Amino acid sequence: AQSVTQLDSQVPVFEEAPVELRCNYSSSVSVYLFWYVQYPNQGLQLLLKYLSGSTLVKGINGFEAEFNKSQTSFHLRKPSVHISDTAEYFCAVSRSGDDKIIFGKGTRLHILP
Amino acid sequence: EPEVTQTPSHQVTQMGQEVILRCVPISNHLYFYWYRQILGQKVEFLVSFYNNEISEKSEIFDDQFSVERPDGSNFTLKIRSTKLEDSAMYFCASRKVGGELFFGEGSRLTVL
Repeated sequence: AQSVTQLDSQVPVFEEAPVELRCNYSSSVSVYLFWYVQYPNQGLQLLLKYLSGSTLVKGINGFEAEFNKSQTSFHLRKPSVHISDTAEYFCAVSRSGDDKIIFGKGTRLHILP
Repeated sequence: EPEVTQTPSHQVTQMGQEVILRCVPISNHLYFYWYRQILGQKVEFLVSFYNNEISEKSEIFDDQFSVERPDGSNFTLKIRSTKLEDSAMYFCASRKVGGELFFGEGSRLTVL
């Protein structure tokens, strides 16, 4: 079975500073990896996904993530955050394109002025 | 841009009452899902539905839960006799074959 671990429940960062949100996964088979964002009082929106190919994946709003198979990680990064990035970020994994998605516990990104 | 729509956005009910949460998936999608998120906790998989039947369900999805696609557009989640611990945000999602998952805005259920 697949699982996802998000090591940080909250990450405070100053505006315009870089940020990295950590995600590790476990699976005995090849996986697809995702990052979703949940803005306050809203649903889940896909930021980016890794299915195959280049290990560096670029998403919306200036975010990117790098798939590292040897470290079973898929950390999310942004070089300069904005106050509008305040949200909950969920790392997720699925076994194949048509399998259910399993979510991590989420990391709350708190932007400090 | 097509989107998944959910109704109601918020429902308050008494313990023991039946609740139906409704979802209209994106029209050309074939896979449908329900997830829930208890306040402050992670998003949990409940059930997936394909070709008019449940394809997978989690341990949470016990006999009190059921799903239905009564017509060509709606996908409903029914909770037969609600418990306090059913209070959560319920998200519907849909996807095409091999496509990404699109989520609705969620239905907040409060059981008193």
